[in-house]
Amino acid sequence: GAGVSQSPSNKVTEKGKDVELRCDPISGHTALYWYRQSLGQGLEFLIYFQGNSAPDKSGLPSDRFSAERTGGSVSTLTIQRTQQEDSAVYLCASSPSRDTQYFGPGTRLTVL
Amino acid sequence: GDSVTQMEGPVTLSEEAFLTINCTYTATGYPSLFWYVQYPGEGLQLLLKATKADDKGSNKGFEATYRKETTSFHLEKGSVQVSDSAVYFCALIDTGNQFYFGTGTSLTVIP
Repeated sequence: GAGVSQSPSNKVTEKGKDVELRCDPISGHTALYWYRQSLGQGLEFLIYFQGNSAPDKSGLPSDRFSAERTGGSVSTLTIQRTQQEDSAVYLCASSPSRDTQYFGPGTRLTVL
Repeated sequence: GDSVTQMEGPVTLSEEAFLTINCTYTATGYPSLFWYVQYPGEGLQLLLKATKADDKGSNKGFEATYRKETTSFHLEKGSVQVSDSAVYFCALIDTGNQFYFGTGTSLTVIP
């Protein structure tokens, strides 16, 4: 079946602009994660959605970052007023159960 | 708090050499432990996992044993191939919902 998809695959933007990154999880997966992978760094947890529960936003680095998940499926990560330090690969993962994650290919964001 | 520490790379080995990538963790509860692999140009994939002490995860010739006494989950393979060239990430999930990842170890296998 289809895996996790993310769009766009690459995004170049100017400092101060807003960007939206999209994640389409595997159908039926109740949990969805967003991570940030910076050069030379591990994966940094950003936010977690589980079913209809309130999301765990504890990893969001600032109030410029927000995410939503509509209808328990597609998720959008929004970064407002982008800064150069936001440049990274943003990864989405969906999960049918605890202990299992399926990752998307990521969106490479470059802020000029 | 919870964390994962893995050996820094890059690691370069000749084909058929023995591989060890060290991983140690800190956790407040009884975590599940994972190794993920990221091949060039691809997304992260689960390589193997272990959910309790003394469990051994294995896949594609790779093995890792959950050692509670040393808080370690070292990745090993007896004979690496060129196709094993990738970045390897150690990770854990503990009592909450958040996964904690190491910084990744880049492996290059030369013929």
